[in-house]
Amino acid sequence: ETGVTQTPRHLVMGMTNKKSLKCEQHLGHNAMYWYKQSAKKPLELMFVYNFKEQTENNSVPSRFSPECPNSSHLFLHLHTLQPEDSALYLCASSEGGGGGTDTQYFGPGTRLTVL
Amino acid sequence: GQNIDQPTEMTATEGAIVQINCTYQTSGFNGLFWYQQHAGEAPTFLSYNVLDGLEEKGRFSSFLSRYKGYSYLLLKELQMKDSASYLCAVKDSNYQLIWGAGTKLIIKP
Repeated sequence: ETGVTQTPRHLVMGMTNKKSLKCEQHLGHNAMYWYKQSAKKPLELMFVYNFKEQTENNSVPSRFSPECPNSSHLFLHLHTLQPEDSALYLCASSEGGGGGTDTQYFGPGTRLTVL
Repeated sequence: GQNIDQPTEMTATEGAIVQINCTYQTSGFNGLFWYQQHAGEAPTFLSYNVLDGLEEKGRFSSFLSRYKGYSYLLLKELQMKDSASYLCAVKDSNYQLIWGAGTKLIIKP
């Protein structure tokens, strides 16, 4: 595998379910990100991990819970979601350091539908 | 507040040239990125501009004017595979990426 991978690619869940999204990067990067992408809206940054430490949590509801066990893996744990949480969830990674040239590379996303 | 503006949708003809504009109002500036995103796929990095002027990469070029808060992505010799959304993003003074909503480009034969 190369680049950034995400599983599953598609997920349908009820509001009472618990599920997890997985992201893995094979680029040797030190920073990982979760974004929410809704139709015709800008990407919304949810969480950032830099060298396994969470550095951003942009007022995300507690029904979303991130986990970063090492610099190559990132999870997003989901529970009691709402229909408005249906979206494409994108994972990205970058070398870290956060400077101007620190470029983010994205995975293909998980298309989440909450019934 | 911080804001990135780009057209919602554009249409162009195969073989032609198209320019996708992006204007920004951000607290500080530490570079501007363009990404391409095909439907259902990952955004892929196209270009990064931090100094004024034109950066050329094959059929794609990106221009920046920091004074005007303005950038454009120029696509030449359009191909059907260029049909995609193009995302503009700016790093602000805190090195946070501020994203535009994207421009959907439709290429017609």
